[in-house]
Amino acid sequence: QKEVEQNSGPLSVPEGAIASLNCTYSDRGSQSFFWYRQYSGKSPELIMFIYSNGDKEDGRFTAQLNKASQYVSLLIRDSQPSDSATYLCAVVNYGGATNKLIFGTGTLLAVQP
Amino acid sequence: DAGVIQSPRHEVTEMGQEVTLRCKPISGHDYLFWYRQTMMRGLELLIYFNNNVPIDDSGMPEDRFSAKMPNASFSTLKIQPSEPRDSAVYFCASSKIGTENYGYTFGSGTRLTVV
Repeated sequence: QKEVEQNSGPLSVPEGAIASLNCTYSDRGSQSFFWYRQYSGKSPELIMFIYSNGDKEDGRFTAQLNKASQYVSLLIRDSQPSDSATYLCAVVNYGGATNKLIFGTGTLLAVQP
Repeated sequence: DAGVIQSPRHEVTEMGQEVTLRCKPISGHDYLFWYRQTMMRGLELLIYFNNNVPIDDSGMPEDRFSAKMPNASFSTLKIQPSEPRDSAVYFCASSKIGTENYGYTFGSGTRLTVV
């Protein structure tokens, strides 16, 4: 079992729709959770982080965390063609005072105009 | 802030040659990470440093790979000898414990092609 799992996609949504990206993780000690966006040929860019159960909203983005189910998701409202990218989920367990992010392989999102 | 700076952006080399990738982290960041990204395996952590000391190199594929951080503002990842299967994008990232989100800032990456 991979430590962080994501559906590779592509996930195709029409412009203006809600895109829902999902991620599961295996380490129950994971404490913080991150979503990165990576455009083709570019480096990953941090867009959201969450560490408490529930929802966290930032503009059109909402991160949702359920530690009991070891599940984290990212919702993108009013999807735009510019949101087309690969979305990487990452988790960290700070046990032992480390700061090591483990990444999923990413979900490719395609927003159709 | 100039961000994390990597060089070169692109490197094409012949099999068997030595390759050196360079990284300058964000000033004040105390963690530095080297990742490799391929289509098949995604982002793989190779090694990371805390205050210039290597903490975990379990991701380094084999002895051909080595990394150093002689000071807080510079790190290198060396491959000797290089092989075609080393072709990938290599990212350097830095972070600071105690920042709001503990997230990493990535450099622009080095695209390595070994022919």
